[in-house]
Amino acid sequence: EDQVTQSPEALRLQEGESSSLNCSYTVSGLRGLFWYRQDPGKGPEFLFTLYSAGEEKEKERLKATLTKKESFLHITAPKPEDSATYLCAVQAATYNTDKLIFGTGTRLQVFP
Amino acid sequence: NAGVTQTPKFRVLKTGQSMTLLCAQDMNHEYMYWYRQDPGMGLRLIHYSVGEGTTAKGEVPDGYNVSRLKKQNFLLGLESAAPSQTSVYFCASSYRGQPQHFGDGTRLSIL
Repeated sequence: EDQVTQSPEALRLQEGESSSLNCSYTVSGLRGLFWYRQDPGKGPEFLFTLYSAGEEKEKERLKATLTKKESFLHITAPKPEDSATYLCAVQAATYNTDKLIFGTGTRLQVFP
Repeated sequence: NAGVTQTPKFRVLKTGQSMTLLCAQDMNHEYMYWYRQDPGMGLRLIHYSVGEGTTAKGEVPDGYNVSRLKKQNFLLGLESAAPSQTSVYFCASSYRGQPQHFGDGTRLSIL
């Protein structure tokens, strides 16, 4: 069964304290792995897509990496405005559509 | 450029009532999706559409119906609402093979 597991469920960081969020997945052939950010009361906002092991993408203080079993979202020197829930999702090669399987997210709080 | 717009933003229903949630996108996307988001469950796909006039079942389709009469609109219907359908509903759209863009959700409570 295709599955996505995110850890930790919640993370509290001091401003400037770098850390990483984990997304482990089991899928019958990976077409793509997606990271989204979700603010309270809002819909998910797209951050990154990763397609193959070894791939990395960066955006401001965020860097996403991918292996054959998991992805990490590294947050360098976070600021309070980085506080949000971060969602990971995968697309399986066995699907003939673009369906996503989501994890339950990591709720990040960054305090001054 | 509005992106994906969901109507209404909030709604309270009584058990057994019916309603329709509307999703509109102005990006000319072929694909559209309806998800529900529940605490501890993540986003789960209800129904999706790969083009005007086509719909298909997702992971949790029971109790819901959908229609895509126009490319830009995707409607989600609840024929006889149940308390288990209390949730936040998100619509998304995309080009084939591209990331999905989400609306800001409809918060639905069923008493």
